Amino acid sequence: EAQVTQNPRYLITVTGKKLTVTCSQNMNHEYMSWYRQDPGLGLRQIYYSMNVEVTDKGDVPEGYKVSRKEKRNFPLILESPSPNQTSLYFCASSLSEVRGDEQFFGPGTRLTVL
Amino acid sequence: GQQLNQSPQSMFIQEGEDVSMNCTSSSIFNTWLWYKQDPGEGPVLLIALYKAGELTSNGRLTAQFGITRKDSFLNISASIPSDVGIYFCAGQTNNDMRFGAGTRLTVKP
Repeated sequence: EAQVTQNPRYLITVTGKKLTVTCSQNMNHEYMSWYRQDPGLGLRQIYYSMNVEVTDKGDVPEGYKVSRKEKRNFPLILESPSPNQTSLYFCASSLSEVRGDEQFFGPGTRLTVL
Repeated sequence: GQQLNQSPQSMFIQEGEDVSMNCTSSSIFNTWLWYKQDPGEGPVLLIALYKAGELTSNGRLTAQFGITRKDSFLNISASIPSDVGIYFCAGQTNNDMRFGAGTRLTVKP
């Protein structure tokens, strides 16, 4: 089954404790991205990756890092999480570049930073 | 970056009623998209629009790409309980994709 998976689905952590949210897709997609969803703000892009070893900042990259060592995986790293990073995070992938009509979203990761 | 203006923010309707929501922007987009997000899930594409003036249907859903390319609307006819969720609009131009804040729809049986 074609899908985007994220882990964990839920995470409660404390300020400053490094964490990684994994994202994996099995569709051989080149383009992957991370969004955060906050009430009243919709989805905002954090980082995206056009291909392996190619990443770039989205609209709200501060406090986040990403890596793209393999085509299928695109982990989101919070080196020192803060409470304002409490949010619902979505990973998405598409065949090449950002194509809204071909973009598959993962199920989401709800992060709470205390 | 600029997000889209989506309204209304929320709607409470009776089963069987029609629903209308819209998105506006100060920027032009080449593609307009409408997604639905069920609780605990990621957004799923409902309708994609590619040309100004285009009117597209998907079952009980109808969406239009505004003539000015700065707006779009989504209509749901004869709503049913499973229509509950958050509906997002998105506009795309080249590699830039923007989302609305969402419309939360509640349908009372």
